[in-house]
Amino acid sequence: GAGVSQSPSNKVTEKGKDVELRCDPISGHTALYWYRQSLGQGLEFLIYFQGNSAPDKSGLPSDRFSAERTGGSVSTLTIQRTQQEDSAVYLCASMADAVRNQPQHFGDGTRLSIL
Amino acid sequence: AQSVTQPDIHITVSEGASLELRCNYSYGATPYLFWYVQSPGQGLQLLLKYFSGDTLVQGIKGFEAEFKRSQSSFNLRKPSVHWSDAAEYFCAVGGAGNMLTFGGGTRLMVKP
Repeated sequence: GAGVSQSPSNKVTEKGKDVELRCDPISGHTALYWYRQSLGQGLEFLIYFQGNSAPDKSGLPSDRFSAERTGGSVSTLTIQRTQQEDSAVYLCASMADAVRNQPQHFGDGTRLSIL
Repeated sequence: AQSVTQPDIHITVSEGASLELRCNYSYGATPYLFWYVQSPGQGLQLLLKYFSGDTLVQGIKGFEAEFKRSQSSFNLRKPSVHWSDAAEYFCAVGGAGNMLTFGGGTRLMVKP
């Protein structure tokens, strides 16, 4: 079946611009996660959605970062007024539910480069 | 707070040789542990997971890992490495909400 799909696969933008990254989770998966992978920081959790519950935003690095999930499916991660330190690979993962004995399935990521 | 340490940043092995990648974790309760592999330009692929029960878990591509509570370790092993195993390997522990905390990764290179 179809896996987690992320778009775009690559994004280059100028410092100060806003960017939107999209994630299509596996159909039927209720839990969705965003992670950031950067050279200096490794893999970091950003935000987590579970069903209709309020998202866990505890990993967002600043108020320039936000995310939403519409209809319990597609999610968009938005970065406003991008900075060079935002350059990273942004990975999305989904899970059948947030019960702990389920693995997360990852997309191929969006490689974001801020000039 | 939970944490994962992968002491080896880079490892080089010869094709056909055995492999062991180290992982140590810190977690206040029974850990849920994972190993993922990442090839260049790709996302993370799950190799295996430990939730409970048998402490030796089998995964895909001939990998296995052993959970040792007394050592807070979850080392990944493979008896005979293939050139296609060259990639980056991440150990992770699942916390509240199943958010994953990852180790820094180990980059595996395979010599012909």
